[in-house]
Amino acid sequence: DQQVKQNSPSLSVQEGRISILNCDYTNSMFDYFLWYKKYPAEGPTFLISISSIKDKNEDGRFTVFLNKSAKHLSLHIVPSQPGDSAVYFCAAGGQYYGNKLVFGAGTILRVKS
Amino acid sequence: GAVVSQHPSWVICKSGTSVKIECRSLDFQATTMFWYRQFPKQSLMLMATSNEGSKATYEQGVEKDKFLINHASLTLSTLTVTSAHPEDSSFYICSAVNRDRGRGGYTFGSGTRLTVV
Repeated sequence: DQQVKQNSPSLSVQEGRISILNCDYTNSMFDYFLWYKKYPAEGPTFLISISSIKDKNEDGRFTVFLNKSAKHLSLHIVPSQPGDSAVYFCAAGGQYYGNKLVFGAGTILRVKS
Repeated sequence: GAVVSQHPSWVICKSGTSVKIECRSLDFQATTMFWYRQFPKQSLMLMATSNEGSKATYEQGVEKDKFLINHASLTLSTLTVTSAHPEDSSFYICSAVNRDRGRGGYTFGSGTRLTVV
């Protein structure tokens, strides 16, 4: 039972354009969501998070949008840079789950120069 | 910022031997640490939650006698893969919770690539 889904295994974007990574969740008990970036053979690094009481959070080139009614969130990267090429994981957590995070399967982003 | 050190970064061991992986929070105290396992092209699968001074909580399907977790201090948790077999070969990652950083407080180690031959 995949509670957090990233349906696009990969995404290819031209440098300078917008990258949009999507994530869907099934459990309404999640009350915060996070995006992580991961390079091969390294641990994930935190990018940005959003609480369920918000619908948008912005940090530099990264913006996360949350649509609670659709149980959908997205990460926008503008402008995309070649260094953004990595695997992006969506994760969800909540008081119901204690401190545990549930991860999506990840999306490989390739930014072409 | 919060740093989590994981050691070793890679290890090769013979089938039947045990391997210990360390996870240290370098500049904060972590009452809770998590151990994940990642198979190729798959997501991070939570194996267990490690709480300082108490027994670890294992996820369903994870053998606690095979994956021994010890969280003896606020800055160190260890995962020991006992009697390793080739199917245990994987990428293991720890995460420590830094409550002072709010929702961004899950800091991951750099991972350990275990290969059992």
